[in-house]
Amino acid sequence: AQSVTQPDIHITVSEGASLELRCNYSYGATPYLFWYVQSPGQGLQLLLKYFSGDTLVQGIKGFEAEFKRSQSSFNLRKPSVHWSDAAEYFCAGGVNYGGSQGNLIFGKGTKLSVKP
Amino acid sequence: DAGITQSPRHKVTETGTPVTLRCHQTENHRYMYWYRQDPGHGLRLIHYSYGVKDTDKGEVSDGYSVSRSKTEDFLLTLESATSSQTSVYFCAISEVMNTEAFFGQGTRLTVV
Repeated sequence: AQSVTQPDIHITVSEGASLELRCNYSYGATPYLFWYVQSPGQGLQLLLKYFSGDTLVQGIKGFEAEFKRSQSSFNLRKPSVHWSDAAEYFCAGGVNYGGSQGNLIFGKGTKLSVKP
Repeated sequence: DAGITQSPRHKVTETGTPVTLRCHQTENHRYMYWYRQDPGHGLRLIHYSYGVKDTDKGEVSDGYSVSRSKTEDFLLTLESATSSQTSVYFCAISEVMNTEAFFGQGTRLTVV
């Protein structure tokens, strides 16, 4: 079955430290992959996306993610975390079968806390 | 930001009453989705639409119905609300199926 897994429910990092949030996928074919961020009481905002090609993708707010086919992973990274990055992060995947089939599958999210 | 408006933003209703949530978009995107978000479950797809009057079920469609009579509007109806439907509901839109989706601000529904 298709799935997207975020192994870490909650991560705490110090401000200025580097960050890596994990995402693993299970699909029959290479999916489209996305990272979203959700601040409290808000909707989800797209951070970055991977469709094909270069496996290192850049997003907004200084985030990047690397697609690794051999590890079925799409981990999100940021070199230096800011207090405003505290939020919940969702990885999502989808496969375009054409027509109307299929849908985006979301991981259960990783909540990021930032220590001063 | 994508032009997506959800209404109402908050609603408290009683068990057994019908409830309709509205999603309105100004982007002319073909695909529209309704998700619910619950702690520990992430986002789960309820129903989606791939065109006017074209809809299909998602992962958790029981107890919900949808309608799309115009490109810009996608309605989610709880025919007889239950406490298990207390949740935050998000509408999303996309130009192409399974590519990046843009989300509304959400509707917090409480069924008492």
